[in-house]
Amino acid sequence: AQKITQTQPGMFVQEKEAVTLDCTYDTSDPSYGLFWYKQPSSGEMIFLIYQGSYDQQNATEGRYSLNFQKARKSANLVISASQLGDSAMYFCAMREDSSYKLIFGSGTRLLVRP
Amino acid sequence: GAVVSQHPSRVICKSGTSVKIECRSLDFQATTMFWYRQFPKQSLMLMATSNEGSKATYEQGVEKDKFLINHASLTLSTLTVTSAHPEDSSFYICSASLVAGSLEAFFGQGTRLTVV
Repeated sequence: AQKITQTQPGMFVQEKEAVTLDCTYDTSDPSYGLFWYKQPSSGEMIFLIYQGSYDQQNATEGRYSLNFQKARKSANLVISASQLGDSAMYFCAMREDSSYKLIFGSGTRLLVRP
Repeated sequence: GAVVSQHPSRVICKSGTSVKIECRSLDFQATTMFWYRQFPKQSLMLMATSNEGSKATYEQGVEKDKFLINHASLTLSTLTVTSAHPEDSSFYICSASLVAGSLEAFFGQGTRLTVV
């Protein structure tokens, strides 16, 4: 069974600094995808970045990058140059290609300080 | 990106009544839709997978008679909370994929249900 773990319930970061949000996963499926979503207080889920299990390079999308360490089964999100608008809940998620179900971690609440 | 519209965004209902939540893919056909439930300050828990033209697949512990899911067309899935009780109060959110196994799942805006 697949499992996603986010060990940081809350994180603080100073504006303009970089922050890393941790995510580890467990799966026996060799083919899977890893996702990060942002959920502001409004509740909507905003897709940030995706990493496929066979991707050789770490994914990057603007200020977001995913530090994918397959052997360690970790997929940490790095947000560079934090902005006040980055304050939100962040969820790591995984989908095994055999099931198509997207399973979420418990989330990390990020607060960016001015 | 693709748009998924969920309606209503908020609903308050009396205990014992039923509530229907709609999830529509506006500019694409979604063969698969997923329904999630989120309690305050918690993660999204997958409730069921809805496939067009077939019965939904429910996750373990989710009462299928309580949470009725219908996916009658490629653009619409509905979740009906039957005989709602205060413990059913939660945030419900749907997601849709262009095709099964698609790279990205598109989420609706969510529905905050309060049962009084």
